[in-house]
Amino acid sequence: QQQVKQSPQSLIVQKGGISIINCAYENTAFDYFPWYQQFPGKGPALLIAIRPDVSEKKEGRFTISFNKSAKQFSLHIMDSQPGDSATYFCAAFITGGGNKLTFGTGTQLKVEL
Amino acid sequence: EAGVAQSPRYKIIEKRQSVAFWCNPISGHATLYWYQQILGQGPKLLIQFQNNGVVDDSQLPKDRFSAERLKGVDSTLKIQPAKLEDSAVYLCASTLRSIPGEQFFGPGTRLTVL
Repeated sequence: QQQVKQSPQSLIVQKGGISIINCAYENTAFDYFPWYQQFPGKGPALLIAIRPDVSEKKEGRFTISFNKSAKQFSLHIMDSQPGDSATYFCAAFITGGGNKLTFGTGTQLKVEL
Repeated sequence: EAGVAQSPRYKIIEKRQSVAFWCNPISGHATLYWYQQILGQGPKLLIQFQNNGVVDDSQLPKDRFSAERLKGVDSTLKIQPAKLEDSAVYLCASTLRSIPGEQFFGPGTRLTVL
């Protein structure tokens, strides 16, 4: 019940296109959903995060859409650029109680010219 | 602000040998985490410290892995003896507040066990 399922495993998008990565969870106690971006040889870096009391959060070209009833959330990268090529992880967390951050399996994004 | 520092960056050892990793978190960050990231998977929490006390070590293979955070600052993670399946990147992260979603990660140590 602690799993976070992520798809697709890999994604190729043309420059200027929209990249969409999807995640689903089972545990309704999760109340914080961050997305991390990881470049080769680097640790993950927090990109954007959302709480389930809002349905969408936008920061620049990055948008999280959240569907509480379906227990799904997704990352949209608008106007994708080659510099966005990286591995993206969704994650989920339960505030309080010392629970750990549970990561999805990752999506390797490649943005082609 | 300096980031999370880790060393070494790479380590190759034979199975049954021992290895240690070092982490220096961002100054003032009370919470420190060690993760194991196997190729093609998301990071998996091994142990969480709050200052120098252990908060969660439920997924730490305690028969071979150990970790300590003396004086609530630097931390070391040790594997003894190493197995082939321990080949992974070991990530250290820290956060000022106990909100794991806002963790700051180091570059990791890539361990190869032959």
